[in-house]
Amino acid sequence: GAVVSQHPSRVICKSGTSVKIECRSLDFQATTMFWYRQFPKKSLMLMATSNEGSKATYEQGVEKDKFLINHASLTLSTLTVTSAHPEDSSFYICSARGPPNQPQHFGDGTRLSIL
Amino acid sequence: GENVEQHPSTLSVQEGDSAVIKCTYSDSASNYFPWYKQELGKRPQLIIDIRSNVGEKKDQRIAVTLNKTAKHFSLHITETQPEDSAVYFCAASIPGTGRRALTFGSGTRLQVQP
Repeated sequence: GAVVSQHPSRVICKSGTSVKIECRSLDFQATTMFWYRQFPKKSLMLMATSNEGSKATYEQGVEKDKFLINHASLTLSTLTVTSAHPEDSSFYICSARGPPNQPQHFGDGTRLSIL
Repeated sequence: GENVEQHPSTLSVQEGDSAVIKCTYSDSASNYFPWYKQELGKRPQLIIDIRSNVGEKKDQRIAVTLNKTAKHFSLHITETQPEDSAVYFCAASIPGTGRRALTFGSGTRLQVQP
């Protein structure tokens, strides 16, 4: 149980392109989803928290107009990197959680490479 | 906000030896402490977690201890095997309405030598 699917696993695109990443909880209802960014050999940095049906809460320093998050249902959250540039290249990982006392479960991550 | 420090950054042990990874946290309100194992290019996987009302928890070769007074918690892996080689992250979470995001430590790269 507690499977989180993230798609796509790898994206390579040109600078200026917008990229959408999907995060789905397959066998549970995710009231909260989290988006992290991970640089090579570094820890996971929380970008934003999204609760179903409400606006995402962004961490300090994360541009909400750059990283658009939508959590329209209890099983799906999307992260759109708008007008991506090479400095946005990174490993993006989502996680999902059901009730507040349950652990977070991670997706497989998306490796984004902007040329 | 919460700050989690993790040591060591790298750890090399011989197969069969024990490995210990330590974390400290700054916010005494934190009450949930999971440990994740991440293999190269893969998702972090929850291996064990502990809540602040418990001092120790074991699951086969893995154990976690928590000292709330000192605000530190540790991961103990006994009888290490080569497949234990990975990056391990500790994390802490502060209870709050609807949020409960995790603050991660910087990670420990564990290498188990056969």
